[in-house]
Amino acid sequence: DADVTQTPRNRITKTGKRIMLECSQTKGHDRMYWYRQDPGLGLRLIYYSFDVKDINKGEISDGYSVSRQAQAKFSLSLESAIPNQTALYFCATSDLGQGITDTQYFGPGTRLTVL
Amino acid sequence: GENVEQHPSTLSVQEGDSAVIKCTYSDSASNYFPWYKQELGKGPQLIIDIRSNVGEKKDQRIAVTLNKTAKHFSLHITETQPEDSAVYFCAASNWDRGSTLGRLYFGRGTQLTVWP
Repeated sequence: DADVTQTPRNRITKTGKRIMLECSQTKGHDRMYWYRQDPGLGLRLIYYSFDVKDINKGEISDGYSVSRQAQAKFSLSLESAIPNQTALYFCATSDLGQGITDTQYFGPGTRLTVL
Repeated sequence: GENVEQHPSTLSVQEGDSAVIKCTYSDSASNYFPWYKQELGKGPQLIIDIRSNVGEKKDQRIAVTLNKTAKHFSLHITETQPEDSAVYFCAASNWDRGSTLGRLYFGRGTQLTVWP
């Protein structure tokens, strides 16, 4: 089984709808991240969480919210989806306590289309 | 915050040739520089990284070099193979164990295509 899973893998929705993307991990990591990937723009950080009680905004948090329900679960919500939120979304995890570097482990991604 | 620039955005090479991808960063406090490979339909995966106290690191056909003075680092792939075709991302971080600062700043990616 994959260590970092994302559901759904693909989603098509309409403008104005509320959407939730879910991420679960079995790696036991403290840190979790949500990124957005657009062609030519690379990976941009939306939100990150260093533990269950810690939530931080990334550089493109407007229009998004998150919930860290447990160490293993980190959800991303679009309260009212708009077409320019059409993108590939990745969840990632990393472990604060191990090693000397901060390797991030990415999920397989969710392709979101907002019509 | 940190700004990471990556060039080129696309790179095509013949199988067996070498490929070089270059990145620059702006924050002199950055001390950790990983490279990620993203294959089609998958999430990025770490392939090699380097810390600021090291100038070069090799792992089989891939190597990374770091010039702290010039604030640039590069990925070198030798003897390229078709399976090296992917998107490659560089990143920079001011990593400190126990710190809340250690998020990654990514470059925009390079699409590498290796032709048989």
